[in-house]
Amino acid sequence: DQQVKQNSPSLSVQEGRISILNCDYTNSMFDYFLWYKKYPAEGPTFLISISSIKDKNEDGRFTVFLNKSAKHLSLHIVPSQPGDSAVYFCAALSSNTGKLIFGQGTTLQVKP
Amino acid sequence: DAGITQSPRHKVTETGTPVTLRCHQTENHRYMYWYRQDPGHGLRLIHYSYGVKDTDKGEVSDGYSVSRSKTEDFLLTLESATSSQTSVYFCATQAGSTDTQYFGPGTRLTVL
Repeated sequence: DQQVKQNSPSLSVQEGRISILNCDYTNSMFDYFLWYKKYPAEGPTFLISISSIKDKNEDGRFTVFLNKSAKHLSLHIVPSQPGDSAVYFCAALSSNTGKLIFGQGTTLQVKP
Repeated sequence: DAGITQSPRHKVTETGTPVTLRCHQTENHRYMYWYRQDPGHGLRLIHYSYGVKDTDKGEVSDGYSVSRSKTEDFLLTLESATSSQTSVYFCATQAGSTDTQYFGPGTRLTVL
């Protein structure tokens, strides 16, 4: 039972364009959502997060949108850069359990 | 970066042998986690610790045990390795239960 799903295994975009990575969840008890970025042979690094009481959080080129009614969140990267090429993991947290549940990951390739 | 190191970084072993992976942190974080990353599954929690000698199971704990005798070290043991335990293993630490988790560089384990 996959509580957090990233249905697109891969995404390819042109440098300078927008990258949109999507994530769906099933557990309405999740109250905090995070995106992690992972380069090959390295551990995941925290990118951006959003609380369930908000619908948008922005940090530079990265914006996360949360639609609670649809149980959907997305990460927008504008403009995309070749250095953004990595695997992106969506994760959700319930403050009741304190445990992170990860999606399967989406591999983003930004072409020069 | 919470000063997390993992050892070894790579290991090849045979089915039935015991294996111990080590996670060491220098940030005095209370919480520590072991995850495994597999294609199509993202990161899945194996075991976690909320203090010295306080540990609990995650979603994929069968075949694994952990120990935490010091704040800075969290050991993951495969008592009798199986081919299904071939994976990349990540350690993570967290200061408080709702703080960001920081990940180590990973250990690639191959069980032949």
